[in-house]
Amino acid sequence: KQEVTQIPAALSVPEGENLVLNCSFTDSAIYNLQWFRQDPGKGLTSLLLIQSSQREQTSGRLNASLDKSSGRSTLYIAASQPGDSATYLCAVRPLTGGGNKLTFGTGTQLKVEL
Amino acid sequence: AAGVIQSPRHLIKEKRETATLKCYPIPRHDTVYWYQQGPGQDPQFLISFYEKMQSDKGSIPDRFSAQQFSDYHSELNMSSLELGDSALYFCASSARGNEQYFGPGTRLTVT
Repeated sequence: KQEVTQIPAALSVPEGENLVLNCSFTDSAIYNLQWFRQDPGKGLTSLLLIQSSQREQTSGRLNASLDKSSGRSTLYIAASQPGDSATYLCAVRPLTGGGNKLTFGTGTQLKVEL
Repeated sequence: AAGVIQSPRHLIKEKRETATLKCYPIPRHDTVYWYQQGPGQDPQFLISFYEKMQSDKGSIPDRFSAQQFSDYHSELNMSSLELGDSALYFCASSARGNEQYFGPGTRLTVT
C-alpha cells in the first residue's frame, strides 16, 4: 500500500526566504505526482504536475523535482511571500492497479511572516 | 476557465439523515473522482467514474453510493449519516487520467 509522507509538518519562515518542502513515497511505481496548495477550509489548487518520466517542473517561483527511484519529490519556493501561507500537499497516482486515484501526503503547513 | 462546480457548498444534517452532494466536472473531462477530507486529515479517495462507469473504489462506506449521469455530472449519496461523516467532500475531474482539478468542496456537518 502506497504511503506518502511530508516533512516538515509545519514551517514558519520570514518573508523573502527560499524554502524546500519534502515529499516521500514508499512505492516508486507511480504515474505522476502532483503538488497542491490548500488554504484553510478551502479546496485544493493544483500547483505542479510531474510525470514519472520527468525530473522537474517549474511554474513562476515554484519548482518541483522528482526522483522516482528514491521515492522523493521536493517543492522549492523562491522568495516566499505572506500570500504563500497555506498547507501544501503532494499526491501520487499509481502506475498500475490503483486506477487514477491519488494518494495524498499529510501536508506541510507553511506560514510566511512579514 | 471553467472549473469543477460542487453544490451545495455547506450542508448541515442530523444523524441518520440522508445527504446528496453534486459535482459538475470541467467540460470535456471524462473522469470524476470523490474524496473525503476529515478535520486535520489528508484527502482520502472514495470512488471514481470514467465515462459514466465506476472505475475505482476506495474506502467508501456501504452507506454511500455514487453515480455519474449522461451529462457527466456526478452525485454522491450518503445515507444513515453518522457524526464521523462530518468532513469536506471534494470532487475532482480529469481528462484521460491526467492532472486532476479539484472543486471547492462541500462541507458536511452532521449533528
